[in-house]
Amino acid sequence: DAKTTQPTSMDCAEGRAANLPCNHSTISGNEYVYWYRQIHSQGPQYIIHGLKNNETNEMASLIITEDRKSSTLILPHATLRDTAVYYCIVRVANNNAGNMLTFGGGTRLMVKP
Amino acid sequence: DVKVTQSSRYLVKRTGEKVFLECVQDMDHENMFWYRQDPGLGLRLIYFSYDVKMKEKGDIPEGYSVSREKKERFSLILESASTNQTSMYLCASSLGFNQPQHFGDGTRLSIL
Repeated sequence: DAKTTQPTSMDCAEGRAANLPCNHSTISGNEYVYWYRQIHSQGPQYIIHGLKNNETNEMASLIITEDRKSSTLILPHATLRDTAVYYCIVRVANNNAGNMLTFGGGTRLMVKP
Repeated sequence: DVKVTQSSRYLVKRTGEKVFLECVQDMDHENMFWYRQDPGLGLRLIYFSYDVKMKEKGDIPEGYSVSREKKERFSLILESASTNQTSMYLCASSLGFNQPQHFGDGTRLSIL
């Protein structure tokens, strides 16, 4: 699976959009970009994933650059409950070798009042 | 919504004990996973299962075993607990290999 690079931490004002970047310059053509988050003392929570088109769901939007070497997770109106560590993961969706998720360091997002 | 329930949030056991961690999912998912999460080491896969009575080793299976007698339930067993198995244990399930994994809230296990 391709390696990802994320900023260690970010701050965001409550009610504003939080834009979390992720670099994955070695991504392969069959690898998807997944985003999870982990709120303190809870298990990871799936947010969104995509291959090459931009995706949106009730939680967030995912913007993937045309060359697929980077992506941005957008929380349109951040709330205090969005304070968490956000993980960007790149992996083959049909990998039968255990389907393991490899979480790197992630970005610690702090939403402030 | 998918619900993955782990039997205990916190557990304290002694060295040498046999420890059972239970996980139940309510969405009829085929795949279930056990991970452990340690500071600085991220998430590491212990075992996974893609069907009832089927299991595969992950990255760090030593000292662990698993059981999947029913589709909704996946148990992790520490045969003889040791202090280096003190960790956060996370169970996850997914509908298929190309689907996202959904996690429980974890069991923080301390081995004394």
